[in-house]
Amino acid sequence: KNQVEQSPQSLIILEGKNCTLQCNYTVSPFSNLRWYKQDTGRGPVSLTIMTFSENTKSNGRYTATLDADTKQSSLHITASQLSDSASYICVVSAFPSETGANNLFFGTGTRLTVIP
Amino acid sequence: EAGVAQSPRYKIIEKRQSVAFWCNPISGHATLYWYQQILGQGPKLLIQFQNNGVVDDSQLPKDRFSAERLKGVDSTLKIQPAKLEDSAVYLCASSSEGQGGEQFFGPGTRLTVL
Repeated sequence: KNQVEQSPQSLIILEGKNCTLQCNYTVSPFSNLRWYKQDTGRGPVSLTIMTFSENTKSNGRYTATLDADTKQSSLHITASQLSDSASYICVVSAFPSETGANNLFFGTGTRLTVIP
Repeated sequence: EAGVAQSPRYKIIEKRQSVAFWCNPISGHATLYWYQQILGQGPKLLIQFQNNGVVDDSQLPKDRFSAERLKGVDSTLKIQPAKLEDSAVYLCASSSEGQGGEQFFGPGTRLTVL
């Protein structure tokens, strides 16, 4: 069964500290993995995309890693800011099926709160 | 480039009433998605359109939910009649790349069913 699990469910950190969010998946055949940031009351916005051959990708203070063998990804946030407070959602794509049915699998997200 | 537009932003109705949501995707995006996001959970796909055709509606509760995308541009999602458990944020997203491509989300419509 295709599933995406994220941990922790929620996290509170002090401003300026680093943190790492985890995503484990069982989606197959794997196509790509995206991390989205969702601010309260807003729609998700893509942070990074990783394909099978990539194991690290950075976007400013955000660094995503992918281990396709163990089917794990992480999102590391460096020097956190108050504006990083949001939900971070891991989305894994499988290669499209012949029927064209949905091939996107969403995690439930990690709720990050950065406090002064 | 204008983003995905949705309206209304908020809606409060009583159970058994009807409600409709509207979405205008990014110009030129052929693929349009409707998601339901219950508080504390990730988005759940309700329906996916490719132009004006339905690609996947396997998780759409068809006894009460309906959606259309006439002319392959904007789309409406309707709930009739609403139940308490329909309280959620309804997100619309569009993509130019088809399945697996980056999705651009609208701000969502927060529905409260009393």
